[in-house]
Amino acid sequence: EVQLVESGGGLVKPGGSLRLSCAASGFTFQNYNMNWVRQAPGKGLEWVSSISSRSSYKYYADSVKGRFTISRDNAKNSLYLQLNSLRADDTAIYYCAREYTSSSGFDYWGQGTLVTVSS
Amino acid sequence: SSELTQDPAVSVALGQTVSITCQGDSLRIYYASWYQQKPGQAPVLVTYGENSRPSGIPKRFSGSKSGNTASLTISGAQAEDEADYYCHSRDSSGDHWVFGGGTKLTVL
Repeated sequence: EVQLVESGGGLVKPGGSLRLSCAASGFTFQNYNMNWVRQAPGKGLEWVSSISSRSSYKYYADSVKGRFTISRDNAKNSLYLQLNSLRADDTAIYYCAREYTSSSGFDYWGQGTLVTVSS
Repeated sequence: SSELTQDPAVSVALGQTVSITCQGDSLRIYYASWYQQKPGQAPVLVTYGENSRPSGIPKRFSGSKSGNTASLTISGAQAEDEADYYCHSRDSSGDHWVFGGGTKLTVL
């Protein structure tokens, strides 16, 4: 069974940092591109970042470019998102999601981890 | 353009057919995927590609595309289909992903 389990969320002050993790199991992690998607309270889905299967390519939404860094460790079946210079509008549930193919969307999602940025 | 536009809300009578649409320039090049999200839950992929469904998704869900518009059609809507629906595709550059703003489906 494919499972994605996020962790690392919490309450952080504006300007602070946080590192999110996503533990993957039930599939060959190193064969898939992975993504982070966030959802602010009561709002829609927003794609945040993606990383290719061997970390050759990394892409970011304009809203987080220069502040967030995506990475992965295929030996540990884990995906990460480093969040720096956090702002109130970064408050959201952060989901990790597996990319089925490069054009077929995200077929598995974790349950998400909540990041709250507030003083 | 990197935007996908959806109607904020749509309603359908129980057992009737409803289509939810998504417009965007990138859809002239790429297919859309569609997700269902119920309150407090993660999104679930319901259709992708030309018209494919993941295992376990009922046949009443189907996807299509014409020009710059993608559609999700639910044929014979059920009460359990009441949810938010999001379209999703590549942006025009092909490197980034983009989501539509979401459509809240009410089953009457």
